Amino acid sequence: DQQVKQNSPSLSVQEGRISILNCDYTNSMFDYFLWYKKYPAEGPTFLISISSIKDKNEDGRFTVFLNKSAKHLSLHIVPSQPGDSAVYFCAAINSGGSNYKLTFGKGTLLTVNP
Amino acid sequence: GAGVSQSPRYKVAKRGQDVALRCDPISGHVSLFWYQQALGQGPEFLTYFQNEAQLDKSGLPSDRFFAERPEGSVSTLKIQRTQQEDSAVYLCASSHRVAIPGLLGNTIYFGEGSWLTVV
Repeated sequence: DQQVKQNSPSLSVQEGRISILNCDYTNSMFDYFLWYKKYPAEGPTFLISISSIKDKNEDGRFTVFLNKSAKHLSLHIVPSQPGDSAVYFCAAINSGGSNYKLTFGKGTLLTVNP
Repeated sequence: GAGVSQSPRYKVAKRGQDVALRCDPISGHVSLFWYQQALGQGPEFLTYFQNEAQLDKSGLPSDRFFAERPEGSVSTLKIQRTQQEDSAVYLCASSHRVAIPGLLGNTIYFGEGSWLTVV
């Protein structure tokens, strides 16, 4: 039972355009969300996070939006660069439970074409 | 070292063989995690250590899986009598504090993983 779902296995965008990666969750106890980026043969690296008390968090070219009522979040990358090409994982935490445990989606492979 | 170091990077095991995967976390990191990532899937939680104490082993798939961190630094994940379904990347991660990952600067750092193939 996938509690965190990334329904798009892959996404391809042109350099300079916006990349939008989507994530849905089913567990209403999740209240903290993170995005990780993973290059081939490397471990995931933390990108950006958002608490459920917010609906937006921005860090440079990366913005995460959270819609709690829809149990949906998205990661926007503007402008996209070829170096952004990687697998992006959405992850969620229940801070009132095992607050160290990340529940990941299956990931979305982003390809940014020059 | 500068990051989380895992060894071996690649391991091919015959079915039924025992394997041991090593993780050297970042020096001074209190929290240590093991995750399993099967092909085409996201990482799945296996176990969590706070210093030498294994506080959560709820994600270990069976009693063939065993993890330890006896001195609160290096950790070993041992898999006995390996099966084909154990084929996966095993990721180790560590963080400086006991806090929600990503919150208040508590970044979790992942190693490159140990790629296990059981034939």
